[in-house]
Amino acid sequence: AQKVTQAQTEISVVEKEDVTLDCVYETRDTTYYLFWYKQPPSGELVFLIRRNSFDEQNEISGRYSWNFQKSTSSFNFTITASQVVDSAVYFCAMISSGSARQLTFGSGTQLTVLP
Amino acid sequence: NAGVTQTPKFQVLKTGQSMTLQCAQDMNHEYMSWYRQDPGMGLRLIHYSVGAGITDQGEVPNGYNVSRSTTEDFPLRLLSAAPSQTSVYFCASKGSWRAGANVLTFGAGSRLTVL
Repeated sequence: AQKVTQAQTEISVVEKEDVTLDCVYETRDTTYYLFWYKQPPSGELVFLIRRNSFDEQNEISGRYSWNFQKSTSSFNFTITASQVVDSAVYFCAMISSGSARQLTFGSGTQLTVLP
Repeated sequence: NAGVTQTPKFQVLKTGQSMTLQCAQDMNHEYMSWYRQDPGMGLRLIHYSVGAGITDQGEVPNGYNVSRSTTEDFPLRLLSAAPSQTSVYFCASKGSWRAGANVLTFGAGSRLTVL
């Protein structure tokens, strides 16, 4: 079984602040993949990143960065210098070799960036 | 390239009515799935298919039927709608069911209200 926990239900920041969205996962498998998706107010789901369990390198893409730590089973997402357009619901998700046919989502974090 | 197409986008039903949510993909994807999204619960897997003629249950299958007669189509049927099925439904597909293969592509979603 696999589980994803996003403890932050809602976060509100002022534009240009940095914000970190937390994601904690559980699995017994050694091979797994972690994802972040963004759901803007328009409702579609936008894929942001995928990491596999064998690659703990942090990743940066523009203002977005991801910190993967197997020791704490966490895959946190940081937005630097947030913008109003970053306002969305963000979902962390995982799939593992033992549950390969089911992508499991966390409950999501609603991020509101105020001007 | 249309990707994943869901219809209808909005639907209102009365309790006990039946309906089918349509999902079609034009990417020759092997794997297709249906999720429902409810406030505070993220996305939960209803049913999935790893190929034509093969379907299986996800986390919340009760009250829903699926079939996969072609690679392209994966309809979701509600035989007797209940208010608890009020939700936003997402269809998603990817090239292979294997955990490390590809990333799910989501449709735009279908908002269903059952009165």
